[in-house]
Amino acid sequence: KAGVTQTPRYLIKTRGQQVTLSCSPISGHRSVSWYQQTPGQGLQFLFEYFSETQRNKGNFPGRFSGRQFSNSRSEMNVSTLELGDSALYLCASSLDSGAGSGNTIYFGEGSWLTVV
Amino acid sequence: GQQLNQSPQSMFIQEGEDVSMNCTSSSIFNTWLWYKQDPGEGPVLLIALYKAGELTSNGRLTAQFGITRKDSFLNISASIPSDVGIYFCAGQTIQGAQKLVFGQGTRLTINP
Repeated sequence: KAGVTQTPRYLIKTRGQQVTLSCSPISGHRSVSWYQQTPGQGLQFLFEYFSETQRNKGNFPGRFSGRQFSNSRSEMNVSTLELGDSALYLCASSLDSGAGSGNTIYFGEGSWLTVV
Repeated sequence: GQQLNQSPQSMFIQEGEDVSMNCTSSSIFNTWLWYKQDPGEGPVLLIALYKAGELTSNGRLTAQFGITRKDSFLNISASIPSDVGIYFCAGQTIQGAQKLVFGQGTRLTINP
């Protein structure tokens, strides 16, 4: 079955603009989470959505937001882009919001965002 | 943000050698995960550990969940060129199961 799909794969934006990234989870998966990966900070958790509700949130400013649709697809938005927002944004999906051997977390290939 | 202490940061080895890397934390985790990331790709799960003391193998890979639940190691035996990449450990708690805490990564380079 298809894996986690993220679009776009690459994009370049200008400071002050906003960006929307999209994620389609594995079929049947209802939990979607987002991570930011940078050389300096590594992989940092942004937020998690389950059944269209934000279940958990990392330590990022309010410029970072997300949402989940009824079909479990998710989008994340970054407003008023800063140079430091340049990163690989990874989406991950799992069956539900819990832990355990039946709820493996799978990652997509990521969206590379460059802010100039 | 919180991160796990992963070491070493990088390794340069000869093909055929064994590799060992580990992660430590000041916090307890319920699950330890090991991922591999190739350039331009997302992390791919290698091994998941769900019980303190658990030792699990996946082909040439072996990982253990520390008894204290604050550490884990990953061993790769008889390394081959396709093992090149960045390896990450990640800790998971029941309370925030999707909020993985990652190590800084171990970059593995193999000389043929």
